[in-house]
Amino acid sequence: LAKTTQPISMDSYEGQEVNITCSHNNIATNDYITWYQQFPSQGPRFIIQGYKTKVTNEVASLFIPADRKSSTLSLPRVSLSDTAVYYCLVGDPWAGGSYIPTFGRGTSLIVHP
Amino acid sequence: SAVISQKPSRDICQRGTSLTIQCQVDSQVTMMFWYRQQPGQSLTLIATANQGSEATYESGFVIDKFPISRPNLTFSTLTVSNMSPEDSSIYLCSVGVTSPGGEQYFGPGTRLTVT
Repeated sequence: LAKTTQPISMDSYEGQEVNITCSHNNIATNDYITWYQQFPSQGPRFIIQGYKTKVTNEVASLFIPADRKSSTLSLPRVSLSDTAVYYCLVGDPWAGGSYIPTFGRGTSLIVHP
Repeated sequence: SAVISQKPSRDICQRGTSLTIQCQVDSQVTMMFWYRQQPGQSLTLIATANQGSEATYESGFVIDKFPISRPNLTFSTLTVSNMSPEDSSIYLCSVGVTSPGGEQYFGPGTRLTVT
């Protein structure tokens, strides 16, 4: 089971780009990397998922190097509403009953005015 | 995507009693998960409740304490039995979808306080 390591917290300012890196040295061949965002008093919300190279959607980009032992979530031009906890998960969602989605400690991002 | 509702949203219970939390999904899903989250902490997986098989519990969680039912593809319950103050937490229901992507969707959570 691949474990993940993220910085505990990060600070940024409105309008800046924020990059949060997740280490997953034991990632398996079939594992995908998925990032979630959680606001206080809410359940986590899916942000982005990738397997290799780069994935971009309307809210974020995900950069995955060739060795896949780490990944970086990039949030362009953050606003105050991006203040949240960000979690990186590694696993194979198509593994059926053997898929055990385990959350790490997450990164608490605080965006300042 | 999937929209998940949970009942109750919060409750205050006496120690020694039990509470059943309901999770309703607006679409049929195979994979369902129950998590616990202490304030300011990450999510801890309690069990996986895939339809058609017995729930699988993670280390530190047992069926006698957290019995789970999964009668169909849109509904599940988690019971917190013989509660103690240490069970005070937020309990979250989640479903996993595999098409098109393999993401999870979460319910709003049930905030439980045991006195």
